[in-house]
Amino acid sequence: NAGVTQTPKFRVLKTGQSMTLLCAQDMNHEYMYWYRQDPGMGLRLIHYSVGEGTTAKGEVPDGYNVSRLKKQNFLLGLESAAPSQTSVYFCASTKTGNTEAFFGQGTRLTVV
Amino acid sequence: AQRVTQPEKLLSVFKGAPVELKCNYSYSGSPELFWYVQYSRQRLQLLLRHISRESIKGFTADLNKGETSFHLKKPFAQEEDSAMYYCALGGGGATNKLIFGTGTLLAVQP
Repeated sequence: NAGVTQTPKFRVLKTGQSMTLLCAQDMNHEYMYWYRQDPGMGLRLIHYSVGEGTTAKGEVPDGYNVSRLKKQNFLLGLESAAPSQTSVYFCASTKTGNTEAFFGQGTRLTVV
Repeated sequence: AQRVTQPEKLLSVFKGAPVELKCNYSYSGSPELFWYVQYSRQRLQLLLRHISRESIKGFTADLNKGETSFHLKKPFAQEEDSAMYYCALGGGGATNKLIFGTGTLLAVQP
């Protein structure tokens, strides 16, 4: 039972480059989320999805885009990376009627 | 506005000492509160949720609606408790979102 899996685990980007982070869950959860974790800031919600084909902005959405074409996958895209996007990114999922979140192992992204 | 406040960034205690990690929340309704733990470079995992009222790894947390608090306590800290602890508030509604505090790093010294 894999739970929530994120790809890749680590990445270094140059300013202006683009990339996509993949989150996959095998628990048939309806809701999926992308958070970023920064020292002293806790976890801040970037974007989330309440179901296949739907996405919505969270607390810090600027500079990111997302897609949820399949229920089990939630993609986070950076079109033009900036050093301010250096962070650890966590994906999470929950099921309907239960706020308990299951997290991926995180993606450590450095933008130079 | 929904908000979670963890006033301490770092809490350092000696092994065997009592631990209390503070969490206060702001929510206009019936809150659903959680404590998540993150060991070094690992994923966040659920430690406690208030509705279960259970003790996990010796930790307990009681919801105090009058003081809008959900403090995490353990009578005798162990070195393996060293980790980052996040208090989280279930916002409910159609989004199932969790709102996290800024976290408290617990360091248990030998």
